[in-house]
Amino acid sequence: AQKITQTQPGMFVQEKEAVTLDCTYDTSDPSYGLFWYKQPSSGEMIFLIYQGSYDQQNATEGRYSLNFQKARKSANLVISASQLGDSAMYFCAMRDPDNDMRFGAGTRLTVKP
Amino acid sequence: DGGITQSPKYLFRKEGQNVTLSCEQNLNHDAMYWYRQDPGQGLRLIYYSQIVNDFQKGDIAEGYSVSREKKESFPLTVTSAQKNPTAFYLCASSLTGVNNEQFFGPGTRLTVL
Repeated sequence: AQKITQTQPGMFVQEKEAVTLDCTYDTSDPSYGLFWYKQPSSGEMIFLIYQGSYDQQNATEGRYSLNFQKARKSANLVISASQLGDSAMYFCAMRDPDNDMRFGAGTRLTVKP
Repeated sequence: DGGITQSPKYLFRKEGQNVTLSCEQNLNHDAMYWYRQDPGQGLRLIYYSQIVNDFQKGDIAEGYSVSREKKESFPLTVTSAQKNPTAFYLCASSLTGVNNEQFFGPGTRLTVL
């Protein structure tokens, strides 16, 4: 099965600054999807952004962008202009052609006022 | 409204008892998933199903069982063989294909006393 690694257990960022959350993955499938989710303290899972393995351009969704480096097998999430409401757990996930979807251990982001 | 429902939100059971967690979706999704989340940890895949009457084990299937008799429903049974069942359980569904994100239910917090 594929493997997802998030090496930053916790990150701090000052309000209005940008922050990068790291994600690396390992798979032998040429076709796969990469996803980022946000989990506030309420426990709900909120989908943020998607990147396909064949996509030539980095995905962007509002203040979220994905820095996709296929050769390095990394898919880092960049949050611009951080807000207090961005404080949450963030999970990177990968889906393979068998619809198996695995998640990383997560990064807890804290935005400081 | 379309979505995924999990019931109940909180569940208490005595050690040694089997318990079944409900997951229902009306999104017409073929794929359904069960994840376990321990405090401050990531999501670990228990089982997933791509189609009715078929399912695959994830990383931590031991002590759990599932069924997929209807497209809309994917109940999870936590058996007495599961050594440490107290956790937060999340159900998700999606269309098949690497480019489709998962939609999550609100979760069930199971406490075994």
